Amino acid sequence: GAGVSQSPSNKVTEKGKDVELRCDPISGHTALYWYRQSLGQGLEFLIYFQGNSAPDKSGLPSDRFSAERTGGSVSTLTIQRTQQEDSAVYLCASSLGGVYEQFFGPGTRLTVL
Amino acid sequence: EDQVTQSPEALRLQEGESSSLNCSYTVSGLRGLFWYRQDPGKGPEFLFTLYSAGEEKEKERLKATLTKKESFLHITAPKPEDSATYLCAVRGNQFYFGTGTSLTVIP
Repeated sequence: GAGVSQSPSNKVTEKGKDVELRCDPISGHTALYWYRQSLGQGLEFLIYFQGNSAPDKSGLPSDRFSAERTGGSVSTLTIQRTQQEDSAVYLCASSLGGVYEQFFGPGTRLTVL
Repeated sequence: EDQVTQSPEALRLQEGESSSLNCSYTVSGLRGLFWYRQDPGKGPEFLFTLYSAGEEKEKERLKATLTKKESFLHITAPKPEDSATYLCAVRGNQFYFGTGTSLTVIP
């Protein structure tokens, strides 16, 4: 069956521009996560959606970062006024619920020039 | 403070040379420990979930075990295709990921 998909796979942008990253989770998965992975670093938690509950935004590094999940399915991570330190791979994952194993997408590699 | 520490950071093995990777954790109310494999340029791939001390899971050359403070990923007679970064994660109030062990298996 279809796994988690993310688009675009690569994004190059100029400092100060806004970017939107998309995640299509596995059908039926109620939980959705966004992570950031910088070169040689571990996964940094950004935000967690579970069903219709208010999202856990505790990992968002600044108010330039926001995310939404429409209809309990597709999610968009938006980064406003991008900075060079935002360059990283952004990973999305989904799971059946908040305590189950997560299945990851291939990631979006963001480069801010 | 909840945290996950993996060791070693990097490991080089000869093909067929068995070894173990360690994941030590401190978490309030463990709700699951997860192992993932990550190949370069790809997202992590799920391997195992362990929920309680004493539990073990196996898949091909990999075996994961869990105690109250740590988990081991044992690799028996590894092959070059086992080369990857192995990530450990724990679920407490949130998911916490370790920084991984980069495994290289030399033919």
